[in-house]
Amino acid sequence: NAGVTQTPKFRVLKTGQSMTLLCAQDMNHEYMYWYRQDPGMGLRLIHYSVGEGTTAKGEVPDGYNVSRLKKQNFLLGLESAAPSQTSVYFCASSGGGSHEQYFGPGTRLTVT
Amino acid sequence: AQSVAQPEDQVNVAEGNPLTVKCTYSVSGNPYLFWYVQYPNRGLQFLLKYITGDNLVKGSYGFEAEFNKSQTSFHLKKPSALVSDSALYFCAVSADSSYKLIFGSGTRLLVRP
Repeated sequence: NAGVTQTPKFRVLKTGQSMTLLCAQDMNHEYMYWYRQDPGMGLRLIHYSVGEGTTAKGEVPDGYNVSRLKKQNFLLGLESAAPSQTSVYFCASSGGGSHEQYFGPGTRLTVT
Repeated sequence: AQSVAQPEDQVNVAEGNPLTVKCTYSVSGNPYLFWYVQYPNRGLQFLLKYITGDNLVKGSYGFEAEFNKSQTSFHLKKPSALVSDSALYFCAVSADSSYKLIFGSGTRLLVRP
């Protein structure tokens, strides 16, 4: 099993550009999450999904959108990138009952 | 509101000595508590969790954590540190049915030879 994978690994955007980050998991997990990691702030939840076709806002959702059209995939979109969105983005999934989350390797995004 | 505090930005220990990384939490219900480790340029790896039962939880790589309800703490411990334990450690709490995690700000552990 590959676990949780994220594409791309790195990306540089100009202010105002858009992009989509893809997260895929092969563990048949119901729950999926998008976090951003910034120095000294730990990980903060952007959006999450408790099942196919459902999404919900987390702690810092502004400027991001998500979709969960298939159970194994969770997409994070930036419609108009801003320098404040420069960060490392992590996707995670969970089977729910056991609670622990499994994390992808991350995407390092720089917005200039 | 749920929150997690890791009061130390960095912990320095000598190899072979015991280590403790501190974590306190605030939740309104029964907490589910976690420790994760992050090595440079990597994702987070699960170390251990407390859901219910014995207050002393054992996890991966010889780590353990003690749940203390009265002090609302969940400190990470290891009897004998290794240089390879040097990494960033995160404490996290979950307390609702969405299983989403609230993370602390992280503690960098540096084990010197």
